[in-house]
Amino acid sequence: AQTVTQSQPEMSVQEAETVTLSCTYDTSESDYYLFWYKQPPSRQMILVIRQEAYKQQNATENRFSVNFQKAAKSFSLKISDSQLGDAAMYFCAYKGGGSNYKLTFGKGTLLTVNP
Amino acid sequence: GAGVSQSPSNKVTEKGKDVELRCDPISGHTALYWYRQSLGQGLEFLIYFQGNSAPDKSGLPSDRFSAERTGGSVSTLTIQRTQQEDSAVYLCASSPIGAGELFFGEGSRLTVL
Repeated sequence: AQTVTQSQPEMSVQEAETVTLSCTYDTSESDYYLFWYKQPPSRQMILVIRQEAYKQQNATENRFSVNFQKAAKSFSLKISDSQLGDAAMYFCAYKGGGSNYKLTFGKGTLLTVNP
Repeated sequence: GAGVSQSPSNKVTEKGKDVELRCDPISGHTALYWYRQSLGQGLEFLIYFQGNSAPDKSGLPSDRFSAERTGGSVSTLTIQRTQQEDSAVYLCASSPIGAGELFFGEGSRLTVL
């Protein structure tokens, strides 16, 4: 079974600085998707960024980018120019390709942004 | 509505009572998921519905848990004879067929006293 590990239960960053959240996963599949979701206090999970495993180029969405290392099974999230609104729980998630439909989540990293 | 809608937002119940949690997915989304989020834990898969296919119930933790999806749209998660360990946030998500991304509701927080 696939597993997703987030080794940092909590992280903090100063406003306007850069922070990197770590995620590793275990799979025997070659085709899959990886996601980072943000969960603010409102509880609604919001998609931050997604990466298809077949794409070598790292995904980028404005201030959010990933470092996808397929061989190392690593998928870290970099947040640049951190803002107070970035404070939330961040979850890394894995979904197999093809007919697979389950998302497997890590336990999350709580990010605090200090003014 | 534009997003996934869940009700109630918060539910407090006494041990042994039955509860129903409702999820209204995004219109046109054929896939619907229920996840459970306990304090300090990640998201635990409970059940998956896809169109008219038989649901994947492999994540339901006990036979006290059941779910149905009527008309391929609204879903209800029912917990019978609630226990304190059932206290959690229950998240519903929907997805269009073939997509990798799930769209989540704001969840229903269940507290069992």
